[in-house]
Amino acid sequence: NAGVTQTPKFQVLKTGQSMTLQCAQDMNHEYMSWYRQDPGMGLRLIHYSVGAGITDQGEVPNGYNVSRSTTEDFPLRLLSAAPSQTSVYFCASSLGASSYNEQFFGPGTRLTVL
Amino acid sequence: KNEVEQSPQNLTAQEGEFITINCSYSVGISALHWLQQHPGGGIVSLFMLSSGKKKHGRLIATINIQEKHSSLHITASHPRDSAVYICAVVSQGRINQFYFGTGTSLTVIP
Repeated sequence: NAGVTQTPKFQVLKTGQSMTLQCAQDMNHEYMSWYRQDPGMGLRLIHYSVGAGITDQGEVPNGYNVSRSTTEDFPLRLLSAAPSQTSVYFCASSLGASSYNEQFFGPGTRLTVL
Repeated sequence: KNEVEQSPQNLTAQEGEFITINCSYSVGISALHWLQQHPGGGIVSLFMLSSGKKKHGRLIATINIQEKHSSLHITASHPRDSAVYICAVVSQGRINQFYFGTGTSLTVIP
Protein backbone atom coordinates (compact mmCIF):
# COMPACT_ATOMS: atom_id res chain seq x y z
CA ASN A 1 0.00 0.00 0.00
CA ALA A 2 1.22 3.49 -0.85
CA GLY A 3 -0.83 4.93 2.04
CA VAL A 4 -1.64 8.62 1.61
CA THR A 5 0.07 10.36 -1.29
CA GLN A 6 0.20 14.06 -2.03
CA THR A 7 1.36 15.98 -5.07
CA PRO A 8 3.18 18.20 -5.60
CA LYS A 9 5.75 18.23 -2.79
CA PHE A 10 6.65 21.86 -3.42
CA GLN A 11 4.85 24.65 -5.28
CA VAL A 12 5.42 28.35 -5.79
CA LEU A 13 2.49 30.47 -6.95
CA LYS A 14 1.94 34.11 -7.71
CA THR A 15 -0.85 36.00 -6.00
CA GLY A 16 -4.12 35.37 -7.80
CA GLN A 17 -3.15 32.10 -9.41
CA SER A 18 -5.22 28.99 -8.81
CA MET A 19 -4.06 25.44 -8.31
CA THR A 20 -5.12 22.05 -7.03
CA LEU A 21 -3.29 20.03 -4.41
CA GLN A 22 -3.82 16.36 -5.00
CA CYS A 23 -4.41 13.76 -2.29
CA ALA A 24 -5.07 10.07 -2.74
CA GLN A 25 -5.25 7.07 -0.43
CA ASP A 26 -5.39 3.37 -1.21
CA MET A 27 -6.61 2.10 2.16
CA ASN A 28 -10.35 2.40 1.41
CA HIS A 29 -10.69 5.00 4.15
CA GLU A 30 -14.00 6.83 4.39
CA TYR A 31 -12.72 9.89 6.26
CA MET A 32 -10.29 12.32 4.63
CA SER A 33 -9.20 15.77 5.67
CA TRP A 34 -6.93 18.67 4.77
CA TYR A 35 -4.85 20.60 7.29
CA ARG A 36 -2.47 23.51 7.09
CA GLN A 37 0.55 23.87 9.33
CA ASP A 38 2.00 27.29 10.05
CA PRO A 39 4.97 28.23 12.27
CA GLY A 40 3.99 28.59 15.92
CA MET A 41 0.53 27.17 15.34
CA GLY A 42 -0.92 23.71 15.54
CA LEU A 43 -2.32 21.96 12.52
CA ARG A 44 -5.63 23.52 11.53
CA LEU A 45 -8.45 21.76 9.72
CA ILE A 46 -9.44 23.26 6.36
CA HIS A 47 -12.05 20.83 5.01
CA TYR A 48 -13.01 17.24 5.64
CA SER A 49 -15.06 14.49 4.06
CA VAL A 50 -16.82 11.55 5.69
CA GLY A 51 -17.33 9.72 2.39
CA ALA A 52 -17.65 10.10 -1.35
CA GLY A 53 -19.94 12.99 -2.21
CA ILE A 54 -19.90 14.46 1.32
CA THR A 55 -17.67 17.34 2.36
CA ASP A 56 -17.78 19.94 5.11
CA GLN A 57 -15.85 22.94 6.30
CA GLY A 58 -13.30 22.89 9.07
CA GLU A 59 -11.76 25.68 11.09
CA VAL A 60 -10.16 27.68 8.24
CA PRO A 61 -12.04 27.00 4.97
CA ASN A 62 -11.96 30.45 3.35
CA GLY A 63 -10.15 30.51 0.01
CA TYR A 64 -10.27 26.73 -0.44
CA ASN A 65 -12.63 24.32 -2.16
CA VAL A 66 -12.81 20.54 -2.00
CA SER A 67 -14.71 17.75 -3.67
CA ARG A 68 -14.88 14.00 -3.09
CA SER A 69 -16.05 12.18 -6.19
CA THR A 70 -14.35 8.92 -5.26
CA THR A 71 -13.34 7.25 -1.99
CA GLU A 72 -9.68 7.44 -3.00
CA ASP A 73 -9.24 11.09 -3.99
CA PHE A 74 -9.72 14.35 -2.10
CA PRO A 75 -8.26 17.33 -3.99
CA LEU A 76 -7.90 20.77 -2.42
CA ARG A 77 -8.36 23.77 -4.70
CA LEU A 78 -6.96 27.21 -4.09
CA LEU A 79 -9.25 29.56 -5.98
CA SER A 80 -7.11 32.71 -6.01
CA ALA A 81 -3.88 32.28 -4.09
CA ALA A 82 -2.91 34.85 -1.47
CA PRO A 83 0.36 35.22 0.47
CA SER A 84 -1.57 34.26 3.63
CA GLN A 85 -1.98 30.80 2.12
CA THR A 86 1.77 30.19 2.25
CA SER A 87 1.92 27.10 4.43
CA VAL A 88 2.58 23.39 4.55
CA TYR A 89 -0.54 21.39 3.66
CA PHE A 90 -1.20 17.89 4.92
CA CYS A 91 -3.85 15.49 3.77
CA ALA A 92 -4.94 12.76 6.19
CA SER A 93 -7.25 9.79 6.10
CA SER A 94 -8.77 7.36 8.58
CA LEU A 95 -11.01 4.35 8.48
CA GLY A 96 -14.00 6.29 9.74
CA ALA A 97 -15.09 9.46 11.44
CA SER A 98 -14.70 8.07 14.94
CA SER A 99 -12.28 9.94 17.15
CA TYR A 100 -10.70 6.60 18.03
CA ASN A 101 -9.48 5.93 14.50
CA GLU A 102 -5.80 6.38 13.73
CA GLN A 103 -5.12 9.13 11.22
CA PHE A 104 -2.66 8.51 8.40
CA PHE A 105 -0.94 11.58 7.02
CA GLY A 106 0.47 12.32 3.61
CA PRO A 107 4.02 13.68 3.26
CA GLY A 108 2.84 17.28 2.90
CA THR A 109 2.94 19.98 0.23
CA ARG A 110 5.00 23.09 0.89
CA LEU A 111 3.27 26.03 -0.83
CA THR A 112 4.71 29.51 -1.23
CA VAL A 113 2.57 32.33 -2.59
CA LEU A 114 4.50 35.37 -3.74
CA LYS B 1 -7.41 30.76 22.30
CA ASN B 2 -5.75 27.39 22.08
CA GLU B 3 -7.61 24.34 23.26
CA VAL B 4 -4.37 22.36 23.57
CA GLU B 5 -1.18 23.48 25.31
CA GLN B 6 2.06 21.55 25.27
CA SER B 7 5.16 21.92 27.38
CA PRO B 8 7.99 22.32 26.99
CA GLN B 9 8.11 23.87 23.51
CA ASN B 10 11.71 22.78 23.05
CA LEU B 11 13.66 20.06 24.79
CA THR B 12 17.27 18.95 24.50
CA ALA B 13 18.37 15.73 26.18
CA GLN B 14 21.42 13.53 26.36
CA GLU B 15 21.15 10.06 24.92
CA GLY B 16 19.77 7.68 27.53
CA GLU B 17 17.78 10.25 29.46
CA PHE B 18 14.15 9.80 30.48
CA ILE B 19 11.97 12.37 28.73
CA THR B 20 8.52 13.70 29.57
CA ILE B 21 6.36 15.86 27.33
CA ASN B 22 3.16 17.31 28.73
CA CYS B 23 -0.18 18.15 27.15
CA SER B 24 -3.06 20.03 28.78
CA TYR B 25 -6.40 20.70 27.17
CA SER B 26 -9.36 22.85 28.04
CA VAL B 27 -12.30 21.09 26.39
CA GLY B 28 -14.16 17.87 26.99
CA ILE B 29 -12.69 15.23 24.73
CA SER B 30 -13.52 11.81 23.42
CA ALA B 31 -9.93 10.89 22.60
CA LEU B 32 -6.37 12.19 22.65
CA HIS B 33 -3.71 11.35 20.09
CA TRP B 34 0.05 11.66 20.21
CA LEU B 35 1.79 12.20 16.88
CA GLN B 36 5.41 12.35 15.81
CA GLN B 37 6.61 14.68 13.08
CA HIS B 38 9.96 13.71 11.63
CA PRO B 39 12.58 16.29 10.63
CA GLY B 40 11.62 15.65 7.00
CA GLY B 41 8.05 16.70 7.78
CA GLY B 42 6.18 13.39 7.76
CA ILE B 43 3.63 12.82 10.54
CA VAL B 44 2.88 9.45 12.09
CA SER B 45 0.44 8.47 14.78
CA LEU B 46 1.99 7.09 17.99
CA PHE B 47 -0.92 6.58 20.37
CA MET B 48 -4.64 7.05 20.79
CA LEU B 49 -5.85 7.34 24.37
CA SER B 50 -9.26 7.64 25.92
CA SER B 51 -8.20 6.58 29.42
CA GLY B 52 -5.31 5.14 31.39
CA LYS B 53 -1.97 4.30 29.90
CA LYS B 54 -0.47 2.76 26.78
CA LYS B 55 3.05 1.50 26.08
CA HIS B 56 4.80 0.85 22.80
CA GLY B 57 8.44 -0.02 23.01
CA ARG B 58 10.25 2.81 24.82
CA LEU B 59 7.25 5.12 24.57
CA ILE B 60 4.60 5.42 27.25
CA ALA B 61 1.52 7.65 27.10
CA THR B 62 -0.79 8.42 29.99
CA ILE B 63 -3.95 10.43 30.31
CA ASN B 64 -5.85 11.83 33.29
CA ILE B 65 -9.33 12.74 32.08
CA GLN B 66 -10.34 14.51 35.31
CA GLU B 67 -7.26 16.76 35.24
CA LYS B 68 -7.41 17.17 31.42
CA HIS B 69 -3.77 16.25 31.10
CA SER B 70 -1.68 13.75 29.20
CA SER B 71 2.01 12.91 29.23
CA LEU B 72 4.28 11.23 26.73
CA HIS B 73 7.36 9.56 28.20
CA ILE B 74 10.38 8.28 26.32
CA THR B 75 12.67 5.93 28.22
CA ALA B 76 16.34 5.49 27.30
CA SER B 77 16.15 8.26 24.69
CA HIS B 78 18.09 7.91 21.45
CA PRO B 79 19.10 10.42 18.76
CA ARG B 80 16.58 8.82 16.41
CA ASP B 81 13.85 10.03 18.79
CA SER B 82 14.65 13.60 17.73
CA ALA B 83 11.41 14.93 16.25
CA VAL B 84 8.46 17.16 17.01
CA TYR B 85 5.85 15.50 19.20
CA ILE B 86 2.30 16.74 18.76
CA CYS B 87 -0.67 16.29 21.06
CA ALA B 88 -4.11 16.35 19.45
CA VAL B 89 -7.54 16.10 21.03
CA VAL B 90 -10.93 15.33 19.57
CA SER B 91 -13.59 17.46 21.17
CA GLN B 92 -16.73 15.73 22.37
CA GLY B 93 -19.61 16.02 19.95
CA ARG B 94 -17.48 16.78 16.89
CA ILE B 95 -16.92 14.22 14.18
CA ASN B 96 -13.22 13.47 14.25
CA GLN B 97 -12.25 17.15 14.20
CA PHE B 98 -8.90 17.37 15.85
CA TYR B 99 -7.43 20.28 17.78
CA PHE B 100 -3.66 20.22 17.72
CA GLY B 101 -1.01 21.51 20.06
CA THR B 102 1.90 23.44 18.60
CA GLY B 103 4.27 20.58 19.30
CA THR B 104 7.36 19.90 21.40
CA SER B 105 10.62 19.87 19.50
CA LEU B 106 12.91 17.20 20.97
CA THR B 107 16.62 16.93 20.23
CA VAL B 108 18.54 14.00 21.67
CA ILE B 109 22.30 14.48 21.66
CA PRO B 110 24.59 11.44 21.40
